[in-house]
Amino acid sequence: AQKVTQAQTEISVVEKEDVTLDCVYETRDTTYYLFWYKQPPSGELVFLIRRNSFDEQNEISGRYSWNFQKSTSSFNFTITASQVVDSAVYFCALILFSGGYNKLIFGAGTRLAVHP
Amino acid sequence: EAGVTQFPSHSVIEKGQTVTLRCDPISGHDNLYWYRRVMGKEIKFLLHFVKESKQDESGMPNNRFLAERTGGTYSTLKVQPAELEDSGVYFCASSHRQGYNSPLHFGNGTRLTVT
Repeated sequence: AQKVTQAQTEISVVEKEDVTLDCVYETRDTTYYLFWYKQPPSGELVFLIRRNSFDEQNEISGRYSWNFQKSTSSFNFTITASQVVDSAVYFCALILFSGGYNKLIFGAGTRLAVHP
Repeated sequence: EAGVTQFPSHSVIEKGQTVTLRCDPISGHDNLYWYRRVMGKEIKFLLHFVKESKQDESGMPNNRFLAERTGGTYSTLKVQPAELEDSGVYFCASSHRQGYNSPLHFGNGTRLTVT
């Protein structure tokens, strides 16, 4: 079965704190892609990153970084020096080669609140 | 370039009524998807159109849901009759090509409340 688990329902931090959002996935496929999306208060889902199953290099983009570990089936997302504008719901998602890469399998999302 | 637009942004209806949600994809995008998030749970795939054809409708919950995409442009998702458990946020997304390398562009969603 394919599944994405985001165990943290809500996280609350104070501005400038670092925060890590956890994502654990399940699949028997060997070829797949992992994604993170951000849903700000305006409602739309904004694409943040895509990572394929053969590339375990960590990635950094400004204050954002992602840690992909196949051994633990995890794709965690860290925001360094958080800001109020980072407040949003963050979704981790999986897409499978066996599914024709056409269905995103989402986690339940983590609501991040960054307070001034 | 205009993004994916969804209408209405909110809809409140009574159980048993009918509601029609509309999605206008990005111009030129042949692939159109509907997803739904119910009660703070995960966002789930409903169906996928390629132009006017339904490529995959395996996620449609039951026959009270009908999706159409006449002419391969905008799409509608009708719920008839609506039930309480249909409440949630309905997202539409479009992409130029199928597959992982063609990113999905999502709309702002339609929040449906069935009372």
